[in-house]
Amino acid sequence: EVKLVESGGGLVQPGGSLRLSCATSGFTFSDFYMEWVRQPPGKRLEWIAASRNKANDYTTEYSASVKGRFIVSRDTSQSILYLQMNALRAEDTAIYYCARVNDYDGGAYAMDYWGQGTSVTVSS
Amino acid sequence: DIQMTQSPASLSVSVGETVTITCRASENIYSNLAWYQQKQGKSPQLLVYAATNLADGVPSRFSGSGSGTQYSLKINSLQSEDFGSYYCQHFWGTPYTFGGGTKLEIK
Repeated sequence: EVKLVESGGGLVQPGGSLRLSCATSGFTFSDFYMEWVRQPPGKRLEWIAASRNKANDYTTEYSASVKGRFIVSRDTSQSILYLQMNALRAEDTAIYYCARVNDYDGGAYAMDYWGQGTSVTVSS
Repeated sequence: DIQMTQSPASLSVSVGETVTITCRASENIYSNLAWYQQKQGKSPQLLVYAATNLADGVPSRFSGSGSGTQYSLKINSLQSEDFGSYYCQHFWGTPYTFGGGTKLEIK
């Protein structure tokens, strides 16, 4: 059974840092792209970061809103995805989800499994 | 960046009715589109990938269609468990933007 479990959220002051974890199980972690998606209260989902698979050298990409402040990484020995968040701002307040990307039929992508989310609040 | 415009933003419908939600991309995304359902307080769940393919376990009353820049999600004979929010998302290059969402409510 595929499982994704996020942790590490909480209340942090503006300018502070936080590291989110996404513990995965039930699939070969290195074979899949993994993403971070966030959802501010009452707003739409926002893709923020991607960690490609081993075949693609675990390369990463970021949205403009977090580039230079957030870093996505993997612990492949423990199948954990991380999101290091620095220089946090009030507008980073959101539920943060990790999601697995499935490659259907070699090129058709979708996020087929999601974690339950972890809440981040940036406030003084 | 590709913008995804979803409509309507909200819809009030009765059990048994049929609804269609649309998603328009700001440029051709070549059917690289997914649809998700999100219940209040829960994480999104995949419904459709590659514009027309149902994800595993998704009931056949759901169907996706479209191409180019225009896509639709149709739900036939709405059931009570179908109420919630629906989002489209493109996968034609990062950032993989989502639509603004459609909130389906019980009339």
